[in-house]
Amino acid sequence: AQSVTQPDIHITVSEGASLELRCNYSYGATPYLFWYVQSPGQGLQLLLKYFSGDTLVQGIKGFEAEFKRSQSSFNLRKPSVHWSDAAEYFCAVGANNNDMRFGAGTRLTVKP
Amino acid sequence: SQTIHQWPATLVQPVGSPLSLECTVEGTSNPNLYWYRQAAGRGLQLLFYSVGIGQISSEVPQNLSASRPQDRQFILSSKKLLLSDSGFYLCAWSTGGYEQYFGPGTRLTVT
Repeated sequence: AQSVTQPDIHITVSEGASLELRCNYSYGATPYLFWYVQSPGQGLQLLLKYFSGDTLVQGIKGFEAEFKRSQSSFNLRKPSVHWSDAAEYFCAVGANNNDMRFGAGTRLTVKP
Repeated sequence: SQTIHQWPATLVQPVGSPLSLECTVEGTSNPNLYWYRQAAGRGLQLLFYSVGIGQISSEVPQNLSASRPQDRQFILSSKKLLLSDSGFYLCAWSTGGYEQYFGPGTRLTVT
């Protein structure tokens, strides 16, 4: 079965600085990859997804992620972080529609 | 557009009491429906999923159960709550694609 590792439990960045959140997956075939964001006490919102094709995918709120098969990674990036980006971020990998596995999440704090 | 509702938003229940959490989806037909539990710092754990009315698959054996009485309604239940049932419960839906869309969640505290 597939699995996801988010190595960073908590990251702090200054407002305006760049951001990269790491995600590594384990799966024998081409995975379906997702990034979600969760504000405190809220549900998860889909930021972006990768199914196939171009390995650099653009999402909402200025986020992008790059699929690197050789590194089994799908890192999330943003060139300039805003205070409103403070939230918890989850990477997920799906083998089919009923078998999506989530990482433990990375909590992002944004310093003014 | 599609929307997903969950209620109640928060719930405090004593140990041994019953539970019923409800999830409804609007704006789509025959969605796949999911119940997840989120414990602090541990990501999301899939509890149940359903591909149609009356069709429930359980991922984790426990004292919770799920039912789908209508196409767009998904209910999570328990006859007797345990302390370990405390957590944040999320309902999600999907259609033919692989992405899932989440509701606002229910915070359950078992005392």
